Amino acid sequence: AQTVTQSQPEMSVQEAETVTLSCTYDTSENNYYLFWYKQPPSRQMILVIRQEAYKQQNATENRFSVNFQKAAKSFSLKISDSQLGDTAMYFCAFMKLPGGADGLTFGKGTHLIIQP
Amino acid sequence: NAGVTQTPKFQVLKTGQSMTLQCAQDMNHNSMYWYRQDPGMGLRLIYYSASEGTTDKGEVPNGYNVSRLNKREFSLRLESAAPSQTSVYFCASTRGGAGQETQYFGPGTRLLVL
Repeated sequence: AQTVTQSQPEMSVQEAETVTLSCTYDTSENNYYLFWYKQPPSRQMILVIRQEAYKQQNATENRFSVNFQKAAKSFSLKISDSQLGDTAMYFCAFMKLPGGADGLTFGKGTHLIIQP
Repeated sequence: NAGVTQTPKFQVLKTGQSMTLQCAQDMNHNSMYWYRQDPGMGLRLIYYSASEGTTDKGEVPNGYNVSRLNKREFSLRLESAAPSQTSVYFCASTRGGAGQETQYFGPGTRLLVL
């Protein structure tokens, strides 16, 4: 079984600053995906970014990027030029391959607050 | 294209009552999932259906049953609700297959069991 650990229950930064959210995971699998999901107060789960374990290059989506360290089993999310709308819960999640049919394993989340 | 829809949005039950949470997707996805989210926790998998006609238990299946009615619909049933089942329930779906594993979530159903 896999476990996902997010060690920062809450973080707060000023608007326009850069913030990094931490995630570590434990697995014996070699093929997997990692995800960051955002959950605003509306409770909708929104995909932020995903990383394939077989890819060495770190994924990037606009202001969001990851630092994926496979050997260290670490998967942090960096948000650049943070905006008020980034305020939300952020969940790190693991998916075993192939197919991912048996679902996602989530961490407990980090509550990110962007201050004006 | 509505994506993943869930009904109802909110429900209050008394202990011992039964109810069914409905989920439907219009993305022609093969796999569907039910998760629950409790305060201070991430989402935990209750049941999943890898394809039409199959269902499997996830991490926390006790007290629940599921039905994959067809490719579009996947329902979650509480036969005898308990206060411990007070939670927010999310349905998700994915096409499955190489490069198609990203899960898309519904808006959630908030369930309160008194």
